[in-house]
Formats: sequence, structure tokens, C-alpha cells
Amino acid sequence: QKEVEQNSGPLSVPEGAIASLNCTYSDRGSQSFFWYRQYSGKSPELIMFIYSNGDKEDGRFTAQLNKASQYVSLLIRDSQPSDSATYLCALNDYKLSFGAGTTVTVRA
Amino acid sequence: DAGVTQSPTHLIKTRGQQVTLRCSPISGHKSVSWYQQVLGQGPQFIFQYYEKEERGRGNFPDRFSARQFPNYSSELNVNALLLGDSALYLCASSLVQGPNEQFFGPGTRLTVL
Repeated sequence: QKEVEQNSGPLSVPEGAIASLNCTYSDRGSQSFFWYRQYSGKSPELIMFIYSNGDKEDGRFTAQLNKASQYVSLLIRDSQPSDSATYLCALNDYKLSFGAGTTVTVRA
Repeated sequence: DAGVTQSPTHLIKTRGQQVTLRCSPISGHKSVSWYQQVLGQGPQFIFQYYEKEERGRGNFPDRFSARQFPNYSSELNVNALLLGDSALYLCASSLVQGPNEQFFGPGTRLTVL
């Protein structure tokens, strides 16, 4: 079983809608998680990290962590065409263990 | 402040050749990690270096090696290239080793023919 699983998508949402991305992980002892955004042909860009159970909000982005159920999610509110990218969930210990990524397309 | 820099941007090699990729971390960052990303997948961890010592190694063959210099820059070497080594090679910089934020450079796109 892979350490981190993500729905590969693609996920298509209309402009202004909420995009919901999910990620599950296998190591119950995992402590921290990062969300990266990767535009086509570019390198991953860190957008959020979360360590504690519950929600963490940063602008239009909200990360949610549920350690009991071993999942982490990312919500993108008021989605814009510029949000069209692949979103990577990463489990963080001394190294990053990535999921395969979810490709999001925001339709204008 | 300058971010993570990597060179070269693109590289084309043939099977059996050797390649060296270079990375300079963000100023003040002492840890460098290397990742390989093949098309359609998330990055896979190759190495982490901190204070010039290897602190972690992923599931890659011995053809892959790396080192970190006193100025914290790093090189990744790959010997006896295979077609399957074609990928985007990413360098990530962090302040210290361990579970903290890692910032990626633009990557080196390696094509093996």
C-alpha cells in the first residue's frame, strides 16, 4: 500500500465554485502534511501545511486534517481559472512522500 | 531573496552516459533534498543532505549518488543512464533537516535517448 493516496482526477469545477481535494495516508504516526500546487511544466509550489487536527485557513484555501481517519483535504473556495493545476499532497517527516496528485481544471 | 536554483534547465543524454545536476539552496538553508518526478506521478524522494552528510536515501539504485558542499550547494550524479531515468529532477531546500518546510527549485528536465 502506498503511503499517500490521492484521487488522480481530473476534477473540473466552474469558476467561483469550491474545489475539494482529498488525500489518505497509511502511517498512523504521521504528524504533518503539506499541500503543493504544480502548474504544467513547473516545479511544486508550497501553498499550505497542517500539523494539528482540524481546519487551517489561508485566504481562499482551507486544509483539513483528521488523524483518527487518516485523511487530509484541501478546499479551494471561489475557484479561479488560475487555480487550474495539479495539487500534490505530501506526508512530511524528514522527507516528503507525495501522492500522485489531483489535476484541477476551473472552467470560466 | 533568491530562491532555489538548479542547473542545467534541460539536458539530453544517451543510454549509458553519466550526468551531474546542480542545486543551490535558499540563502541560510542548510538542508538539500533531491526528488525524481516522472510524468503523471508525484515526486519520489532520492536523497537528503544536511551539513554535508547524507541523512536519508530513497529506494533508488547505487547508480544515483549525491554530495553537499561546504556552501550547502549540492550535486546529484547518475551513472549508466537508462531510458527510465528520464524525468524532472527537483531539488528542495529547507532550513534544517527533519519535518520542516521544503521549497523546490525549478528542476532539471533530463531526457535519456
